[in-house]
Amino acid sequence: EAGVTQSPTHLIKTRGQQATLRCSPISGHTSVYWYQQALGLGLQFLLWYDEGEERNRGNFPPRFSGRQFPNYSSELNVNALELEDSALYLCASSSSYSNQPQHFGDGTRLSIL
Amino acid sequence: QQQVKQSPQSLIVQKGGISIINCAYENTAFDYFPWYQQFPGKGPALLIAIRPDVSEKKEGRFTISFNKSAKQFSLHIMDSQPGDSATYFCAASIRDYGQNFVFGPGTRLSVLP
Repeated sequence: EAGVTQSPTHLIKTRGQQATLRCSPISGHTSVYWYQQALGLGLQFLLWYDEGEERNRGNFPPRFSGRQFPNYSSELNVNALELEDSALYLCASSSSYSNQPQHFGDGTRLSIL
Repeated sequence: QQQVKQSPQSLIVQKGGISIINCAYENTAFDYFPWYQQFPGKGPALLIAIRPDVSEKKEGRFTISFNKSAKQFSLHIMDSQPGDSATYFCAASIRDYGQNFVFGPGTRLSVLP
């Protein structure tokens, strides 16, 4: 079974630019979650998508947005990039049943110059 | 009330020793408690999980102990090995369609050979 895949592995942008990160969930999983992990810090919840709808979002500004496609893949968009956005962005997927474990990809390392 | 506290922040253990990481929560609605292991450059991987209807769950060298009344749970790694050196995250979620996982800040474990 293929795991959660994320692309690109690394992304370098400058302040003010826009970044798009992509995620393909495990086959059969309908929920996709996005997390931000700043260097040496824990996981901060960003967004949760299920069945194409945004179900919940964390305490992040509106310039963090995303969507989920009919095949359940997802993309995270970050507009007007700031230096503090430099982090590892992790995507996780799970089935839609309650309290199923989340399975993570290896993340996209976003660096803002 | 959504916070999960985790300690210690870092832990150094000799090979063959027991590693113990503790987590505490406030929200009694939490009813699923997974532990994740993260190696550098990789996404977190599910290690073991427990629900509050049991007090202990063991999988190989890894054991979760759960104290519902104290709202605490811990991870014990028996016969710790250098390959166990990683960052460990506890998490908690609520039994509803939200599947909102709250992660602890992580514990960096180093097992000395």
